[in-house]
Amino acid sequence: DGGITQSPKYLFRKEGQNVTLSCEQNLNHDAMYWYRQDPGQGLRLIYYSQIVNDFQKGDIAEGYSVSREKKESFPLTVTSAQKNPTAFYLCASIDRGSEAFFGQGTRLTVV
Amino acid sequence: GEDVEQSLFLSVREGDSSVINCTYTDSSSTYLYWYKQEPGAGLQLLTYIFSNMDMKQDQRLTVLLNKKDKHLSLRIADTQTGDSAIYFCADANRDDKIIFGKGTRLHILP
Repeated sequence: DGGITQSPKYLFRKEGQNVTLSCEQNLNHDAMYWYRQDPGQGLRLIYYSQIVNDFQKGDIAEGYSVSREKKESFPLTVTSAQKNPTAFYLCASIDRGSEAFFGQGTRLTVV
Repeated sequence: GEDVEQSLFLSVREGDSSVINCTYTDSSSTYLYWYKQEPGAGLQLLTYIFSNMDMKQDQRLTVLLNKKDKHLSLRIADTQTGDSAIYFCADANRDDKIIFGKGTRLHILP
């Protein structure tokens, strides 16, 4: 079955550490996205990529980095520069002209 | 920049219709989406509409789009307790950028 997979489901990070969240899709979608969800804030766009080896900053890119070396994969690194990283992170991919498919999310907690 | 706005809360009596409203600012919108999120769960696509359409109906769901006013609405007929969730409006532009509203929490009254 085609889909989009995020891992891990739960992630704990110590202050000052970088962590990388995985997002893989086997839907052959060109465009992929990372969103952050905080209570009462809805989904805010961190980064998105329309094509391999290219990506654009969203509204809250500071403290995050991404890469898009393969069509199937769009990992997100939460760096130590992100001052408030505790949140629910959602990855999505889109088939243009159709829906955006979402992963089940990664809940990141700073300990 | 682009923005999508929704009211944060809506209470509706069971069996009545729910109407959730959304406004957006992007003049290059290509698609508009409605997603549903239940507690602790991911996002579930309910429906989407092309920006050149005025209306789309799918069972209990009716989407109305007023492109001139940049206003989108989702009507849920015969609202049930299982419809209790947060509903997100999202706008996709021609550069594939997708922006979400903050979500409307729908509360069902008995």
